[in-house]
Amino acid sequence: SQTIHQWPATLVQPVGSPLSLECTVEGTSNPNLYWYRQAAGRGLQLLFYSVGIGQISSEVPQNLSASRPQDRQFILSSKKLLLSDSGFYLCAWSVDGGSSYEQYFGPGTRLTVT
Amino acid sequence: DQQVKQNSPSLSVQEGRISILNCDYTNSMFDYFLWYKKYPAEGPTFLISISSIKDKNEDGRFTVFLNKSAKHLSLHIVPSQPGDSAVYFCAAIASNYQLIWGAGTKLIIKP
Repeated sequence: SQTIHQWPATLVQPVGSPLSLECTVEGTSNPNLYWYRQAAGRGLQLLFYSVGIGQISSEVPQNLSASRPQDRQFILSSKKLLLSDSGFYLCAWSVDGGSSYEQYFGPGTRLTVT
Repeated sequence: DQQVKQNSPSLSVQEGRISILNCDYTNSMFDYFLWYKKYPAEGPTFLISISSIKDKNEDGRFTVFLNKSAKHLSLHIVPSQPGDSAVYFCAAIASNYQLIWGAGTKLIIKP
């Protein structure tokens, strides 16, 4: 069966510090991968998605970046965090070319920028 | 520009009664919709979906209704149970196969 891992679960970082969140998927090949952010009291905002290694699409301009160095690894990064980067970050995957369009989510990372 | 709208931020329902969660969309090109359930500090989990070729899809206690002319869908949960207390998200598939999400409705089931 497929599983998705995210770490760390919680993170407190000062403004201006770098960020690296990692997501890995097991049990599937060539998944579509996604990074979302949920700000407090708000819905899910798609940040990046990837359909393959090295292929990243950005949905919103910001100081965050994403990379996909391996088929089942997706990394969210920042060189300098802003206070507004605080939120709940979720990684998700879906079947490439699947007909059900379902996305499966990881447990999330709670990021607090102080 | 919110293409998928969940206008009720929260909903309180008595245990055993029916919970009805509503969702409206603006893009008539959307042809597949999904409902997700999310507990605090966890990722959303898929509940049920519906294609635009149908007007109803049922799975156990969960039924989703789609009214294409009104661009409206609803999720019915009956009977409501305490474990149903969560935030429910409606989402639609865009032309690039990405999910367009509503802001969510917090459902509270009262004992």
